[in-house]
Amino acid sequence: EAGVTQFPSHSVIEKGQTVTLRCDPISGHDNLYWYRRVMGKEIKFLLHFVKESKQDESGMPNNRFLAERTGGTYSTLKVQPAELEDSGVYFCASSQEFHSSYEQYFGPGTRLTVT
Amino acid sequence: AQRVTQPEKLLSVFKGAPVELKCNYSYSGSPELFWYVQYSRQRLQLLLRHISRESIKGFTADLNKGETSFHLKKPFAQEEDSAMYYCALSRGWGKLQFGAGTQVVVTP
Repeated sequence: EAGVTQFPSHSVIEKGQTVTLRCDPISGHDNLYWYRRVMGKEIKFLLHFVKESKQDESGMPNNRFLAERTGGTYSTLKVQPAELEDSGVYFCASSQEFHSSYEQYFGPGTRLTVT
Repeated sequence: AQRVTQPEKLLSVFKGAPVELKCNYSYSGSPELFWYVQYSRQRLQLLLRHISRESIKGFTADLNKGETSFHLKKPFAQEEDSAMYYCALSRGWGKLQFGAGTQVVVTP
């Protein structure tokens, strides 16, 4: 089993540009989460999909961030336009069930650098 | 407000010495607590969860509701325990709230 995969592993863009991050969860996992860690700060929740539906997007910082999960498989997180404070590591995780005690399996993360 | 606090950013211990990573939380409901670990060049992974009451790689953690703590302990640290450790609280529907993390360095 490949585990959760994320693409790209690293992205460097200029302020004002657009970047799209992709996450492929473990096959059969209906629950997909996005988190991010900005420099020097904690890992913070962004949003949660159950299949193709957004269950909770309370952590999305602003409307420059758009997440989709068409067909309930992979997910994309688009940042448009990117700002300097968006730099950080974006993690995706998936789990089989949404129950709070279930383990989440994390991807390796995408390191985003906005210059 | 819900919060997870890990007071130590860095913990340096000698091989064979006991290690304890502190985690305190504030949460109005019944907490589900976890320890996640990230070894060098590896992805974040679950170490243990309080509901399982298990020992993984020699680590244990006891939920103390009175002190609102979930400290991680190991009696004899090994070099391979060097990693970043995150305490996390699950806030319904599985979304995790993480502490700031504690970097553990085990020296021979």
